Amino acid sequence: AQKVTQAQTEISVVEKEDVTLDCVYETRDTTYYLFWYKQPPSGELVFLIRRNSFDEQNEISGRYSWNFQKSTSSFNFTITASQVVDSAVYFCALSEASTGGFKTIFGAGTRLFVKA
Amino acid sequence: DSGVTQTPKHLITATGQRVTLRCSPRSGDLSVYWYQQSLDQGLQFLIQYYNGEERAKGNILERFSAQQFPDLHSELNLSSLELGDSALYFCASSSGERYGYTFGSGTRLTVV
Repeated sequence: AQKVTQAQTEISVVEKEDVTLDCVYETRDTTYYLFWYKQPPSGELVFLIRRNSFDEQNEISGRYSWNFQKSTSSFNFTITASQVVDSAVYFCALSEASTGGFKTIFGAGTRLFVKA
Repeated sequence: DSGVTQTPKHLITATGQRVTLRCSPRSGDLSVYWYQQSLDQGLQFLIQYYNGEERAKGNILERFSAQQFPDLHSELNLSSLELGDSALYFCASSSGERYGYTFGSGTRLTVV
């Protein structure tokens, strides 16, 4: 069965600290896709990254980096030198093949507070 | 601007009433998804349409219905509204789930 677990409900850090948001998934498929989305206090949902199951290369985009490890079924997200603007709810999502196409499920989200 | 347009942005209505939320997908996307996000809750999948046809259904109440029109815009109809229906309703579009979603800015529904 498809499942996404974001065990950290809330994380609070002080500006300039590094922070890692955990995402653990379950799937029976060998082909699947993982995503991270950001929901700032303004409410909109913003796509951050997509990773397919065949690409275990880590990715870095500025202060953001993602660590994909199939061996532990994890797709963790690290913010380096956090800033107040990083305060948001972050959702991890998994998309896998299903009858009629792909099916996506979201984790429950991790709320990140970055204090000045 | 994400390219997905949702209207209205805010809606306040009374219990028992019916409302319609509208979504125009990003140009070229055939799939439209509706999600509900209650206060401090995660994203609950309601329904998906692909090129006018219902493709998948989530935990959508019988009081709720949706459709996707030939021009690909979609409407979510919520009827017999209850206080518990107050939530953010998001529409998303996609060119395929493997590529991820583009979300609209959401409609904040308040039922009083």
